Amino acid sequence: AQSVSQHNHHVILSEAASLELGCNYSYGGTVNLFWYVQYPGQHLQLLLKYFSGDPLVKGIKGFEAEFIKSKFSFNLRKPSVQWSDTAEYFCAVTRTYKYIFGTGTRLKVLA
Amino acid sequence: DTEVTQTPKHLVMGMTNKKSLKCEQHMGHRAMYWYKQKAKKPPELMFVYSYEKLSINESVPSRFSPECPNSSLLNLHLHALQPEDSALYLCASSQGRTGANTGELFFGEGSRLTVL
Repeated sequence: AQSVSQHNHHVILSEAASLELGCNYSYGGTVNLFWYVQYPGQHLQLLLKYFSGDPLVKGIKGFEAEFIKSKFSFNLRKPSVQWSDTAEYFCAVTRTYKYIFGTGTRLKVLA
Repeated sequence: DTEVTQTPKHLVMGMTNKKSLKCEQHMGHRAMYWYKQKAKKPPELMFVYSYEKLSINESVPSRFSPECPNSSLLNLHLHALQPEDSALYLCASSQGRTGANTGELFFGEGSRLTVL
């Protein structure tokens, strides 16, 4: 069965610390990969996406992610987090219309 | 501001009531989705409409009935719900191109449903 795993459920960092959130998927064939963010009280927003090409993709707000096909992974990174990055982060995988979300990682950034 | 509009934002209903959730997008997207999200959980796919036809039903109980009157509108009709159906119901849309790449999802703010 298709699945998406996010290993870190809760992460607490101080401002300026580096961030890496893990995402692994079990989904055969060609997939499209996404990271979404949900700020407190707001709707889900796209951070970045990978469809094809360069496996290192850059998104909004200084986030980037690397697709490693051999590891079925799509980890999210940010070199220096800010207090405003406090949110829940979801990895998502899709082929055609079936988007499957990971369990989410709650990030808290301490000022 | 989100380009996917959902109404109502909040809904409280009894187990015998019939109500509807509405979703609208004007981005020209041809795929529309209903997701259910419980607190501290990821969104769970319920239904997908592609080019106004139901293409995915994730074994959702029949007390939830989706409807896609046209390419911009998506409804979710609710009848005889249970308290465990209380959740945030999210509508989303995507470009819906044929093939593997249907584009990213654009989400609405959700309708928070409480079933008493």
